[in-house]
Amino acid sequence: DAKTTQPPSMDCAEGRAANLPCNHSTISGNEYVYWYRQIHSQGPQYIIHGLKNNETNEMASLIITEDRKSSTLILPHATLRDTAVYYCIAPPRSSGSARQLTFGSGTQLTVLP
Amino acid sequence: NAGVMQNPRHLVRRRGQEARLRCSPMKGHSHVYWYRQLPEEGLKFMVYLQKENIIDESGMPKERFSAEFPKEGPSILRIQQVVRGDSAAYFCASSSGGETQYFGPGTRLLVL
Repeated sequence: DAKTTQPPSMDCAEGRAANLPCNHSTISGNEYVYWYRQIHSQGPQYIIHGLKNNETNEMASLIITEDRKSSTLILPHATLRDTAVYYCIAPPRSSGSARQLTFGSGTQLTVLP
Repeated sequence: NAGVMQNPRHLVRRRGQEARLRCSPMKGHSHVYWYRQLPEEGLKFMVYLQKENIIDESGMPKERFSAEFPKEGPSILRIQQVVRGDSAAYFCASSSGGETQYFGPGTRLLVL
């Protein structure tokens, strides 16, 4: 996987936007950026992924810089239930073989009331 | 549309016993992945299987651990002669062949 770097922790006020950064300067041209989160030792939850265009779904938006060396996950209106560890992952693209996800330390997002 | 199912959710074993963890992928998914999360650590990849085939087992411990995904039925992660260090949360994920993996709720294994 391309190495990803995330801040270890962030706080966000309830109702405000949470912006979680991720650096992935060694990402290859065909590697996607994936975001997952894990809420208090539950199973990881898929959030969103993208290649080079910005993406939006019902959970979040993903902004990828033009050089693809970094990205930002945006939770537009954070709630207390969004408190979790957020993981930015860039799995290798290889046909037919290993597609393991490498989970780093992630960012512990704490949404404050 | 049911998500990934894992059972049991909690499993207690004494040292030396066997543990069997089951994973039913999402409907239409034929790719299964197992991950382990030791206490206070991140998730680590163990094995990737397709129906009746092990594709990548580079993360599996060399001894006592095995996995299968038969033509019919759930994927099984089997741990023989468990030791205290096997106590962890074991997560299964599935995919349709694309890269997006969807995770189950996990099995918490406690070895006494």
